[in-house]
Amino acid sequence: AQSVTQLDSQVPVFEEAPVELRCNYSSSVSVYLFWYVQYPNQGLQLLLKYLSGSTLVESINGFEAEFNKSQTSFHLRKPSVHISDTAEYFCAVSVVGGADGLTFGKGTHLIIQP
Amino acid sequence: EPEVTQTPSHQVTQMGQEVILRCVPISNHLYFYWYRQILGQKVEFLVSFYNNEISEKSEIFDDQFSVERPDGSNFTLKIRSTKLEDSAMYFCASSEYANQPQHFGDGTRLSIL
Repeated sequence: AQSVTQLDSQVPVFEEAPVELRCNYSSSVSVYLFWYVQYPNQGLQLLLKYLSGSTLVESINGFEAEFNKSQTSFHLRKPSVHISDTAEYFCAVSVVGGADGLTFGKGTHLIIQP
Repeated sequence: EPEVTQTPSHQVTQMGQEVILRCVPISNHLYFYWYRQILGQKVEFLVSFYNNEISEKSEIFDDQFSVERPDGSNFTLKIRSTKLEDSAMYFCASSEYANQPQHFGDGTRLSIL
């Protein structure tokens, strides 16, 4: 079975400051990795994904995440946050070659302070 | 951009009643999923569905639950004999193929009284 740990339930950051949201996973088989974002009263939106290839993946709105197999991590980073980044961020994994669903972490609430 | 739509956005039901949550996945997607999120907890996988049958299901998805694709567009989750602890946000998702990124709907908030 897989598990995902997001140690920080809340991360307060000042606007234009950098941020890192931590994600570690545990799995006995190969996994794909995802970050989803949930804005207030909305569903989950895919932010970025790692399926294969380059371990550094980027989103169109300035977020990036790096897959580190040795540390079983997939931390999310942004060099300069904006008020509009305030949301809940979920890290998730799925088993390579499997047809099952995503295993999510508990989520990190990113709070941007002006 | 095509999206997954869920209805209703909020469903209030008396304990013991049956409820059907509806979803319209993205039209060219082949895999469908249901998840739930109890308030304050993580999003949990319930079931995946492909080629008109269940592919995988979690321990949560017991005999109380069932899924169906009644026509070419809808994907439903039925909960029989609802309990207070079924109160949660239920998300539908779809993907073009297995292991491809899943696209989520905005969810149905189910409140059991």
